[in-house]
Amino acid sequence: GENVEQHPSTLSVQEGDSAVIKCTYSDSASNYFPWYKQELGKRPQLIIDIRSNVGEKKDQRIAVTLNKTAKHFSLHITETQPEDSAVYFCAASNSGLTGGGNKLTFGTGTQLKVEL
Amino acid sequence: DGGITQSPKYLFRKEGQNVTLSCEQNLNHDAMYWYRQDPGQGLRLIYYSQIVNDFQKGDIAEGYSVSREKKESFPLTVTSAQKNPTAFYLCASSSLAGGPGELFFGEGSRLTVL
Repeated sequence: GENVEQHPSTLSVQEGDSAVIKCTYSDSASNYFPWYKQELGKRPQLIIDIRSNVGEKKDQRIAVTLNKTAKHFSLHITETQPEDSAVYFCAASNSGLTGGGNKLTFGTGTQLKVEL
Repeated sequence: DGGITQSPKYLFRKEGQNVTLSCEQNLNHDAMYWYRQDPGQGLRLIYYSQIVNDFQKGDIAEGYSVSREKKESFPLTVTSAQKNPTAFYLCASSSLAGGPGELFFGEGSRLTVL
């Protein structure tokens, strides 16, 4: 099955700096890669996703890049703000897997702390 | 107000007891999922269902059971066979139209075994 590794497990940045979180996956058939943000005590929420036919996607201060050859994808947050402090999870899915539907395999999470 | 509702939010159980966690959605989603969240281990899939009366095991199904008698409901039973049941449990749902997409999560249920 799919295995997703995520690094680093913790990341501390100064407000205004950029943050980068990296994930690798094992199943070359995976074709959907979302990122979820979980604030303390709250539910995970989707912040951005990318599909395998795209190499990069941007949404304001957030961007995701995908390298299918190397089987890795990254989340980039620019101009970080205190409200960006949360746990971020990457995930991968193979939508073509029979019966797999939207079965996601998640990384272990990155605790991002934005310091003033 | 559309969404996904889990109950109870907190649950305490004695060893050897079964407990059932409720998950209801009014988003008209076909697929529903149960994940377990432990510190440092991310979200691990327990069971998922894509259609009523059908469900599949995820990566850590041992000691758990589910049912999907209605599209809106996907309860999870944590049985006494689950060796380490203390955890945070998250239910989610998604549409299957157009391929994989966003999972909508409930607020979670925290189970503590005493």
